[in-house]
Amino acid sequence: QQQVKQSPQSLIVQKGGISIINCAYENTAFDYFPWYQQFPGKGPALLIAIRPDVSEKKEGRFTISFNKSAKQFSLHIMDSQPGDSATYFCAGRDFNKFYFGSGTKLNVKP
Amino acid sequence: DGGITQSPKYLFRKEGQNVTLSCEQNLNHDAMYWYRQDPGQGLRLIYYSQIVNDFQKGDIAEGYSVSREKKESFPLTVTSAQKNPTAFYLCASSPLGPSSTDTQYFGPGTRLTVL
Repeated sequence: QQQVKQSPQSLIVQKGGISIINCAYENTAFDYFPWYQQFPGKGPALLIAIRPDVSEKKEGRFTISFNKSAKQFSLHIMDSQPGDSATYFCAGRDFNKFYFGSGTKLNVKP
Repeated sequence: DGGITQSPKYLFRKEGQNVTLSCEQNLNHDAMYWYRQDPGQGLRLIYYSQIVNDFQKGDIAEGYSVSREKKESFPLTVTSAQKNPTAFYLCASSPLGPSSTDTQYFGPGTRLTVL
């Protein structure tokens, strides 16, 4: 049973475009929602995170939009760059356990 | 220089052998975790530990064992009972407590290949 569902599985965006990755969850005990960025052969690195009492959080070109009633959240990457090409994971935290989405492979074309 | 270290980076194992993957953290985090990542897939939890000398099974614990004798160390043993161990293994740590806004921090990973 997958607690966090992520889509799309892969995404191709032109340089300068907006990349959007969506996640949905069922567990209302989740109290923290991080996004991770992973490059091939490396460990995931925290990109941005949000708590459920906030509807939006922006850090540079990265924005999380959070809809608590719909139990959905999304990552928006503005002005996408080739260096953003990586796999992105969303997650939800229930106390001290993290549940991850299946990942989205983003390819930003020059 | 704080962080999580994993060793070795690459590991080759013959069938029927047990191997141990090392994970050390100097972040003073109470909780540590082991995940398995297969190509094109997400992270699956193997084991986690919230305190020294205590650990819990994750979703795919069969064929794996762990120990937590020190706060900063959480080694993972892949036993011969694990039928398909070839994968990328990630260690992570985090502070404890529901009020904490800190998330998990990951090590660089160990790629295990069974020959």
